[in-house]
Amino acid sequence: GIQVEQSPPDLILQEGANSTLRCNFSDSVNNLQWFHQNPWGQLINLFYIPSGTKQNGRLSATTVATERYSLLYISSSQTTDSGVYFCAVRNTGNQFYFGTGTSLTVIP
Amino acid sequence: NAGVMQNPRHLVRRRGQEARLRCSPMKGHSHVYWYRQLPEEGLKFMVYLQKENIIDESGMPKERFSAEFPKEGPSILRIQQVVRGDSAAYFCASSPVRGLGEQYFGPGTRLTVT
Repeated sequence: GIQVEQSPPDLILQEGANSTLRCNFSDSVNNLQWFHQNPWGQLINLFYIPSGTKQNGRLSATTVATERYSLLYISSSQTTDSGVYFCAVRNTGNQFYFGTGTSLTVIP
Repeated sequence: NAGVMQNPRHLVRRRGQEARLRCSPMKGHSHVYWYRQLPEEGLKFMVYLQKENIIDESGMPKERFSAEFPKEGPSILRIQQVVRGDSAAYFCASSPVRGLGEQYFGPGTRLTVT
């Protein structure tokens, strides 16, 4: 299967700070999603971004498929951004491969 | 448009009992995926189903686990004779199309085996 590595594993930010989360993957993909797992365990879709750049409010993401990585940018972080951020990829198979996540804590 | 629904949200079973987890995909979605998340880990694929068909069960343990997606009603993930190691969060996802489609996840069922 595809290996997915996320960095950093843990991140602590002061409210208002910016951050960049990285996702590296070991094979070509045609599907990549970023998710936020909130403290209640729910998985929220952030971006469907197999390539290119997208923005949604304070969040944006960029995937460079040819170099096998994706970045998630969080600007002006808020305490509600706390949780675990997962990158998941898929190629021609049926399953998504998930990274182990970046655990983000935003302190007021 | 309701999202993916899972029930129950929390399930407690004693060792040796059966657990049944239900998933109703989003309206218009005919592809269902089950994933398991062990504590402090990412999600791991278990099985992919379409109506009345198991398409890919390569992530499913060989024993005690089964899944179905009948013509009518929700998809069911069934775990027989549960053991403590089955304690995990089980997520269901659905998509409208196979392959390139974006997956949408339900809230998960947290199974605790005592």
